Amino acid sequence: KQEVTQIPAALSVPEGENLVLNCSFTDSAIYNLQWFRQDPGKGLTSLLLIQSSQREQTSGRLNASLDKSSGRSTLYIAASQPGDSATYLCAVARTSGSRLTFGEGTQLTVNP
Amino acid sequence: EAGVAQSPRYKIIEKRQSVAFWCNPISGHATLYWYQQILGQGPKLLIQFQNNGVVDDSQLPKDRFSAERLKGVDSTLKIQPAKLEDSAVYLCASSQGLSVNEQFFGPGTRLTVL
Repeated sequence: KQEVTQIPAALSVPEGENLVLNCSFTDSAIYNLQWFRQDPGKGLTSLLLIQSSQREQTSGRLNASLDKSSGRSTLYIAASQPGDSATYLCAVARTSGSRLTFGEGTQLTVNP
Repeated sequence: EAGVAQSPRYKIIEKRQSVAFWCNPISGHATLYWYQQILGQGPKLLIQFQNNGVVDDSQLPKDRFSAERLKGVDSTLKIQPAKLEDSAVYLCASSQGLSVNEQFFGPGTRLTVL
């Protein structure tokens, strides 16, 4: 059974700092990994999707890496801003189109 | 392009009552998912449809939960009767199809069972 763990559970940083969020999964047989952002009381916004054959994906100040063999992914946020404050979730899919298995998220607070 | 629509956004009921949630996926998306997110946890899949057929309902509590996707577009998720532990956010997501796995989520319905 796939299990996804995110560390840390909560993180508070000053504005402008670069930061890394970690995600690990127990079964390396994944099809892809997706990072989401969730604001309080809102749904999930897809940030980045990495196929199992890829090593990283970038979008603006966000960079996600994937090391499938070790069961790890990181989300790097450069020059953090107060607007980045949210919960960040990672999720893996075992096969194309299959369910996503989520971690419990990292709650990020960026202080002005 | 319009996103995934869900209604209602909030619902408060008493235990043993019934409730229904509605989801309209992104136009043209063949695959539809219902997830349950309990406070402080990541979402967990309840049921997955491909067009109007069920692909995965292994984690759906079938004694009280039911879902349908008539005509392969809109979907309804029902709980009858509700229990206290059903208090959660119910998220609907859609993707283009089984070969394209990027899932897009709606705003969710927050259910409180008293």
